[in-house]
Amino acid sequence: EIALTQSPGTLSLSPGDTATLSCRPSQSVGSKYVAWYQQKPGQAPRLLIYGASTRATGIPDRFSGSGSGTDFTLTISRLEPEDFAVYYCQQYETSPRTFGQGTKVEIK
Amino acid sequence: EVQLVQSGSEVKKPGESLKISCKASGYSFSYYWVGWGRQMPGKGLEWIGITYPGDSDTRYSPSFEGHVTISADKAITTAYLQWNSLKASDTAIYYCARIASPVGVIRSPFDIWGQGTMVTVSS
Repeated sequence: EIALTQSPGTLSLSPGDTATLSCRPSQSVGSKYVAWYQQKPGQAPRLLIYGASTRATGIPDRFSGSGSGTDFTLTISRLEPEDFAVYYCQQYETSPRTFGQGTKVEIK
Repeated sequence: EVQLVQSGSEVKKPGESLKISCKASGYSFSYYWVGWGRQMPGKGLEWIGITYPGDSDTRYSPSFEGHVTISADKAITTAYLQWNSLKASDTAIYYCARIASPVGVIRSPFDIWGQGTMVTVSS
């Protein structure tokens, strides 16, 4: 089973800042098979990025993903108030599909 | 509109059985994998398993295999997650979600999510 380690656990930032979130798989994952999700309190997760770098439908371009192998990054530029949430990475290359433990982006 | 609508909250006692549902609409249900995930109180997401309604092929995470059963009824475009004997540790929100690519492609993210079903198991 591939474990995904996300860091930091919590990111305290102000609106307008840039958030950089890390996701490190315990073994190499093909970049086609990494996704990022956003979850707000009381809501279901929402797909943001798939294939490591492709934005899902309707996702603004301030969200961008990059990386390969054992090092993936989600960058949120110009943080908007609605971006403060928890973010999860996921690998879907091998079964079981695994999620990282999440990074909370909170208002400083 | 493509959507997944889950059944309502449940309160059960340890040892009881339960079956929760996920009603799909707006797309060809038989041709997309549907999965289930768990989120324990204040915790992250865990993947339980997936099923392909077209042929009932079902895969489980080793952490959940043997404790839950995933199924689907393509005639009524509904997926299910069931337990024969609940434990207090099953208390969580359960989400269903569709795998994004059709025609049996399994290595694809979850693009549509249900609203979640809260399951509380307490004596």
